[in-house]
Amino acid sequence: GAVVSQHPSWVICKSGTSVKIECRSLDFQATTMFWYRQFPKQSLMLMATSNEGSKATYEQGVEKDKFLINHASLTLSTLTVTSAHPEDSSFYICSASTFGTQYFGPGTRLTVL
Amino acid sequence: QKEVEQNSGPLSVPEGAIASLNCTYSDRGSQSFFWYRQYSGKSPELIMFIYSNGDKEDGRFTAQLNKASQYVSLLIRDSQPSDSATYLCAVTLGNTGKLIFGQGTTLQVKP
Repeated sequence: GAVVSQHPSWVICKSGTSVKIECRSLDFQATTMFWYRQFPKQSLMLMATSNEGSKATYEQGVEKDKFLINHASLTLSTLTVTSAHPEDSSFYICSASTFGTQYFGPGTRLTVL
Repeated sequence: QKEVEQNSGPLSVPEGAIASLNCTYSDRGSQSFFWYRQYSGKSPELIMFIYSNGDKEDGRFTAQLNKASQYVSLLIRDSQPSDSATYLCAVTLGNTGKLIFGQGTTLQVKP
């Protein structure tokens, strides 16, 4: 149980384009999902908290207009990286929370050329 | 600044030995504590969570919590080469549901 999927698992795009990443909880409902970013050899950095039916809460220093989050249902949250630039290249990981425990998706590796 | 501290390692143990991973945290209000395992290039995988002082065992893994000392540990018995990974300690931030992660300890189990 507590399986979280992410799609796509990897994406390569040109600078200036937008990329959407989906996060789904497959066997449970999650009112809260989280989006993280991880650079090589560093720990996870929380970007935002996504609550179903309401606006996401962004961590300090994360541009909400650049990283658009939509939590349209209890099993789906999406992160859109708008006008991506090479410095946005990273490993993006979502998690879904159930009974206070976060379960992580497999991650999406984004490379911006 | 709420913090979680871990020794980055690497911690190297021989196969079959007990690996002991340690973590301290600064927020006395934290109620839930988690250990995640992360293989290189992969996302974190939940190993155990613990809420109460004392020990909690699950197979080869034992989590230990001491809230007075603000200390949580993970013991891995009969370590296997497949246990070689980075182990992340995570602590809840108050009632927010957010997790604060340590930097992780790299464990190497040598055959």
